[in-house]
Amino acid sequence: AQSVTQLDSHVSVSEGTPVLLRCNYSSSYSPSLFWYVQHPNKGLQLLLKYTSAATLVKGINGFEAEFKKSETSFHLTKPSAHMSDAAEYFCVVSNAGNNRKLIWGLGTSLGVNP
Amino acid sequence: DGGITQSPKYLFRKEGQNVTLSCEQNLNHDAMYWYRQDPGQGLRLIYYSQIVNDFQKGDIAEGYSVSREKKESFPLTVTSAQKNPTAFYLCASRRDRATNEKLFFGSGTQLSVL
Repeated sequence: AQSVTQLDSHVSVSEGTPVLLRCNYSSSYSPSLFWYVQHPNKGLQLLLKYTSAATLVKGINGFEAEFKKSETSFHLTKPSAHMSDAAEYFCVVSNAGNNRKLIWGLGTSLGVNP
Repeated sequence: DGGITQSPKYLFRKEGQNVTLSCEQNLNHDAMYWYRQDPGQGLRLIYYSQIVNDFQKGDIAEGYSVSREKKESFPLTVTSAQKNPTAFYLCASRRDRATNEKLFFGSGTQLSVL
């Protein structure tokens, strides 16, 4: 069975400081992993995805995530937060090669303080 | 338990046929969304509704139609005008359109063309 756990429901950082949003997964197969972002009053946007290539994945807006099989983690990071990064972030896991079945985390709300 | 129910899980469409995907929520949420996912791509917004009897087109509304006659229901019809309907369809809802409330997701419907 697959599952995904976002370890923090809310994270608050100051502008210019690093961002870390944690995600752990459980999968019997080689997983594909995604991070999505939703800004208020907008649809979901794909930030980045891991599909068994390089373990360090770079996404849009300066975000990146590292796939660590030994830790079953796929944490999302950014070196320096910007006010526009305030949004809801979702970690998603699916079977590699079978993107029909998606398991969504509950989301982490990121707040950025000036 | 509260949640979002999508049905059916798998759906097959013949050429020229309209099909309707069901999405029901008992969370008393105002806003509801329909997304489409194609293999290897992120979610794309089809339609969304922020309140009963009102809905707006998303990024890829052509070939689709929706209705929002009841707060708890937001069915999506894939019409014969949609030439490439094979995809995974995901319904979502949130409590309040105006705030950064969490999104809740259904389990999805896989639509295939015969």
